Amino acid sequence: EAQVTQNPRYLITVTGKKLTVTCSQNMNHEYMSWYRQDPGLGLRQIYYSMNVEVTDKGDVPEGYKVSRKEKRNFPLILESPSPNQTSLYFCASSLFGTGVSNQPQHFGDGTRLSIL
Amino acid sequence: SQQGEEDPQALSIQEGENATMNCSYKTSINNLQWYRQNSGRGLVHLILIRSNEREKHSGRLRVTLDTSKKSSSLLITASRAADTASYFCAPGHTGTASKLTFGTGTRLQVTL
Repeated sequence: EAQVTQNPRYLITVTGKKLTVTCSQNMNHEYMSWYRQDPGLGLRQIYYSMNVEVTDKGDVPEGYKVSRKEKRNFPLILESPSPNQTSLYFCASSLFGTGVSNQPQHFGDGTRLSIL
Repeated sequence: SQQGEEDPQALSIQEGENATMNCSYKTSINNLQWYRQNSGRGLVHLILIRSNEREKHSGRLRVTLDTSKKSSSLLITASRAADTASYFCAPGHTGTASKLTFGTGTRLQVTL
């Protein structure tokens, strides 16, 4: 089954404790992206990757890191999490990096992070 | 801002009625996509309409696009309780091939 898988689905942690949210897709998609969703603010893009070893900042990259060493995986790293990073996070992918706005994006089921 | 703005913010209807949601945007687009999000879940792609199309159908969904007014509408006919969700439009703007922006959505509640 074609899917985008995020782990963990839920995490409660404390300020400053490094964490990684994994994202994996099995559709051989070139493009992957991370979003955060907050009430009243909609979805905002954090980072995206056009292909392996190609990553770029989205609208709200501060406090986050990503890597794209393999096509299928795009982990989101919070080196020193803070309470303002409490949010619902989504990973998404689409077939091609070029012209991604012309293609459907496939989303994971989300990761709810609470930073105390 | 390049994101679409959905209107209304919330909509409550009874099962069997039609639901209409609107989306406005500000700059030229290549296409516009609509997505659905069930509570606490990821977004699911519904339909994509290109800038040279005026109307598109998919099952009970009908999407229209008016590029002169920079607006789109999503009509769900004969709504069901299972249509209860948030609906988002995502304009695919010219020259921003790597970006898809989302608004805050329309929350649709379909009651029995």
